[in-house]
Amino acid sequence: NAGVTQTPKFRVLKTGQSMTLLCAQDMNHEYMYWYRQDPGMGLRLIHYSVGEGTTAKGEVPDGYNVSRLKKQNFLLGLESAAPSQTSVYFCASSYASGPSTDTQYFGPGTRLTVL
Amino acid sequence: RKEVEQDPGPFNVPEGATVAFNCTYSNSASQSFFWYRQDCRKEPKLLMSVYSSGNEDGRFTAQLNRASQYISLLIRDSKLSDSATYLCAVNAHSSASKIIFGSGTRLSIRP
Repeated sequence: NAGVTQTPKFRVLKTGQSMTLLCAQDMNHEYMYWYRQDPGMGLRLIHYSVGEGTTAKGEVPDGYNVSRLKKQNFLLGLESAAPSQTSVYFCASSYASGPSTDTQYFGPGTRLTVL
Repeated sequence: RKEVEQDPGPFNVPEGATVAFNCTYSNSASQSFFWYRQDCRKEPKLLMSVYSSGNEDGRFTAQLNRASQYISLLIRDSKLSDSATYLCAVNAHSSASKIIFGSGTRLSIRP
């Protein structure tokens, strides 16, 4: 049982390049999330999904797109990377929402640098 | 006002001491509260969840004060290995499926 995994672990992009971050979970969780974490800013929600085929915007969605074609996978795309998107990206999943089912489990993170 | 606020610290305490820090939240309707621990350059890991008045797990106690809208984390007999950043999280006002995280409190335990 691997839990939540993320690929890649590290990436360096040039401004304007595109990339996709992959998150996978094997816990049969319905809900999945993408966060970014910057120094002193805590975790900020980018997009989330409450089930296969559904996505919704979080707190800081601009410049990112997501897709949830399979229940176990949640992809985060950067169409045209900017230096402001240099950050650590965490994926998380939870069984559902509501008390006792909304605990989020995190992947190990992806460190992205945009030059 | 931020939805979830924490004192960033750092809290620097000697080994064996008791340390406590608070987290305030703005949504009086929140039902789910969490404390996560995050080590440097690692992912957050769940320390405790709180759905009623409080929770205790060994040396760690979380208390919820709904009237004043804060949760606290108490660490007794602190160990060097407790050094980390502690993140408070609360389910959001607009959507129960969203959890809002505080910026974290840094704790450093000295020998």
